Amino acid sequence: DQQVKQNSPSLSVQEGRISILNCDYTNSMFDYFLWYKKYPAEGPTFLISISSIKDKNEDGRFTVFLNKSAKHLSLHIVPSQPGDSAVYFCAAGSTGGGNKLTFGTGTQLKVEL
Amino acid sequence: GAGVSQSPRYKVAKRGQDVALRCDPISGHVSLFWYQQALGQGPEFLTYFQNEAQLDKSGLPSDRFFAERPEGSVSTLKIQRTQQEDSAVYLCASSFHSGGLNTGELFFGEGSRLTVL
Repeated sequence: DQQVKQNSPSLSVQEGRISILNCDYTNSMFDYFLWYKKYPAEGPTFLISISSIKDKNEDGRFTVFLNKSAKHLSLHIVPSQPGDSAVYFCAAGSTGGGNKLTFGTGTQLKVEL
Repeated sequence: GAGVSQSPRYKVAKRGQDVALRCDPISGHVSLFWYQQALGQGPEFLTYFQNEAQLDKSGLPSDRFFAERPEGSVSTLKIQRTQQEDSAVYLCASSFHSGGLNTGELFFGEGSRLTVL
């Protein structure tokens, strides 16, 4: 039972354009969400997070949007840069449910010149 | 060190062998997590420590898996009688905080890639 789903295994975007990565979840107990970025042979690194009391959080070129009614979140990267090419994981957690995160399967983003 | 350190980076084991994977978290970090990442999948939770206390081991797939953090710093994940399905990258992560959104901001190590033949 995949509680966090990233339905697009890969995404290709031109440099300078917007990258939109999507994530859906099924567990209504999740109340915080995070995006992690992973380069090959490295561990995931934290990118941006959002609490369920917000619908948007912005940090530089990165914005995360949360639609609680649709159980959907998205990560927008604008403008996209070649260094953004990596695997992006969506993750969710529940404040009352312990400290573990549930991760999606990841989306491989390729930013082309 | 500056980050989470894991060793060995790569381990090849014959089926039935025992393995031990080590994690050295960032100094002062209260929380320590182990995750298992199979090929093409996202990390899956195995177990969580707050200091030396193992507060959640619900993700350990079988009683062949055992983790400890005796002094609240370095942690070891031990897998007994390894099976081919244990082949995966084992990620360790630590966090200064002990709950909620802040806990989610985990610092991951590079992982230990285990291959069981």
